Amino acid sequence: NAGVMQNPRHLVRRRGQEARLRCSPMKGHSHVYWYRQLPEEGLKFMVYLQKENIIDESGMPKERFSAEFPKEGPSILRIQQVVRGDSAAYFCASSPQQGAQTGELFFGEGSRLTVL
Amino acid sequence: QQQVKQSPQSLIVQKGGISIINCAYENTAFDYFPWYQQFPGKGPALLIAIRPDVSEKKEGRFTISFNKSAKQFSLHIMDSQPGDSATYFCAASSNNLFFGTGTRLTVIP
Repeated sequence: NAGVMQNPRHLVRRRGQEARLRCSPMKGHSHVYWYRQLPEEGLKFMVYLQKENIIDESGMPKERFSAEFPKEGPSILRIQQVVRGDSAAYFCASSPQQGAQTGELFFGEGSRLTVL
Repeated sequence: QQQVKQSPQSLIVQKGGISIINCAYENTAFDYFPWYQQFPGKGPALLIAIRPDVSEKKEGRFTISFNKSAKQFSLHIMDSQPGDSATYFCAASSNNLFFGTGTRLTVIP
């Protein structure tokens, strides 16, 4: 049973380009969470999605960032017109139900975005 | 606003010693308090967790102590080993999981 799969593992973009990060949850998991980790900092909640629905996007920047979790296929975190401050590790986590209420989130290995 | 405050930022412990990491929170709606362990280049992994209706939970060398009235909880790692060297995050959840800023633990052989 594969774990949470994130790709790409490393992504380099120039300022102004778009970054797309993909997350395939564990088999049987229908809840996906995205977190951002800056160097020497903790994990900041960004967005919580179920299939085809955004449940909580209170941690998402209001502009340039969007997320989706379609009926078929992986969840995608999209960052438009990237800036240097977007450089970070982006982690996806999944759970079979509302795992956050039990703390049982299963994390991928992250996608490390570098903006030149 | 940091929902969960964690200290220390870094910790160096001799092999065989006790590692102690502390966390505090304000939101009384939090009802689950997990600890995650993260190795370099990897995602965090659940280590141990506690609910606020108990004051202590022990799993092997890892113990969580929970003080509901003080809104504080801590992780104790007994007989610390070099393989325990990692970053540890406390967290608290209601509908979402909020993490502390992490403690980088180094266990010296």
